[in-house]
Amino acid sequence: SQQGEEDPQALSIQEGENATMNCSYKTSINNLQWYRQNSGRGLVHLILIRSNEREKHSGRLRVTLDTSKKSSSLLITASRAADTASYFCATESSYKLIFGSGTRLLVRP
Amino acid sequence: DAGVIQSPRHEVTEMGQEVTLRCKPISGHNSLFWYRQTMMRGLELLIYFNNNVPIDDSGMPEDRFSAKMPNASFSTLKIQPSEPRDSAVYFCASRRDSDTQYFGPGTRLTVL
Repeated sequence: SQQGEEDPQALSIQEGENATMNCSYKTSINNLQWYRQNSGRGLVHLILIRSNEREKHSGRLRVTLDTSKKSSSLLITASRAADTASYFCATESSYKLIFGSGTRLLVRP
Repeated sequence: DAGVIQSPRHEVTEMGQEVTLRCKPISGHNSLFWYRQTMMRGLELLIYFNNNVPIDDSGMPEDRFSAKMPNASFSTLKIQPSEPRDSAVYFCASRRDSDTQYFGPGTRLTVL
């Protein structure tokens, strides 16, 4: 079974709007990572947040982590059509990355 | 630097045939992972190598699947005999120590 579950499963927004995706997980983790996957392509690493961190920024990305609630969120600000992709959270415990089911994001031009 | 290289990118075969997927990790990386992605089960870890040694193969579905890493720059995932339910995208990923995993472009396998 998958560790992380993303919410929503699909999200459609207008270019320029912000997109927020949430991830919940079940067990203790070393870190939580977010990946992007364009249709038919491999996964691209976006950002990693460690279990002792609460918030992290990278360009237009903002990730939060709440270990008490076992949840994380990914915020993409000022979205662009090129942000259209599937986004996955992945929790790492020891060497294992366990992926969530993903959020399909559509950014309409 | 070249990323993780996988071949072939697409493979179509008939049930019962042997399939071999190949992966070249990023130079200098000492860990290699094979994943499978399907609509039903999402992304699943199949096997993990560290310094060319299989550490965890608990995700390998059954005896029809086998993986090898004869050296630091090459790994194979073999399915023999293949079945239609093996149809999926297979990803290879590599990393150095506990750094980020870098994924290859994947091999889309279709078993008829």
